[in-house]
Amino acid sequence: NAGVMQNPRHLVRRRGQEARLRCSPMKGHSHVYWYRQLPEEGLKFMVYLQKENIIDESGMPKERFSAEFPKEGPSILRIQQVVRGDSAAYFCASSRPNGEQFFGPGTRLTVL
Amino acid sequence: GQQVMQIPQYQHVQEGEDFTTYCNSSTTLSNIQWYKQRPGGHPVFLIQLVKSGEVKKQKRLTFQFGEAKKNSSLHITATQTTDVGTYFCAVIQGAQKLVFGQGTRLTINP
Repeated sequence: NAGVMQNPRHLVRRRGQEARLRCSPMKGHSHVYWYRQLPEEGLKFMVYLQKENIIDESGMPKERFSAEFPKEGPSILRIQQVVRGDSAAYFCASSRPNGEQFFGPGTRLTVL
Repeated sequence: GQQVMQIPQYQHVQEGEDFTTYCNSSTTLSNIQWYKQRPGGHPVFLIQLVKSGEVKKQKRLTFQFGEAKKNSSLHITATQTTDVGTYFCAVIQGAQKLVFGQGTRLTINP
């Protein structure tokens, strides 16, 4: 019974590079959520996806950030041209429809 | 959207002492959830409250939802070192979006 899987667990990028964060939901879960946690802060909602559809992206920055959840494969959170302020822990969660969200272990992104 | 304010931000106790964190909103909440995040870990769901005045217990943890559904609390009796972590309240908004409070970081002197 694998839980939500995220990789990589740690990612280091230089300013201007691209970061790709992957999330594989729990088996049987068709809903994926991405949250960002800055040091010493709570989690902030970014985006909610179902297979091939973005349901709510109200928390996504307007530029450089994108997310997808294709029919096959994991959900991807993509950050282009990273800046130091993007350094954070990015958590993915998954759920069944209207179900409890289960969180993955997170990807800690450090931008040098 | 609904915002939740959580206090205190930090709490340090001696092992065996009690601990309480509070979550407050200026608007009526339809539900409230509580999560625990260990240092370096990820949030783990503890409980959901939906009814006015609801009280739920999990061993040494007691969760309350206010009568007006504008506040909630988590109380830990006789803390143990395994209770260390950050406790978050969260509300579901719209289509399953979780809005988290700022969290209360609990540290314990053994």
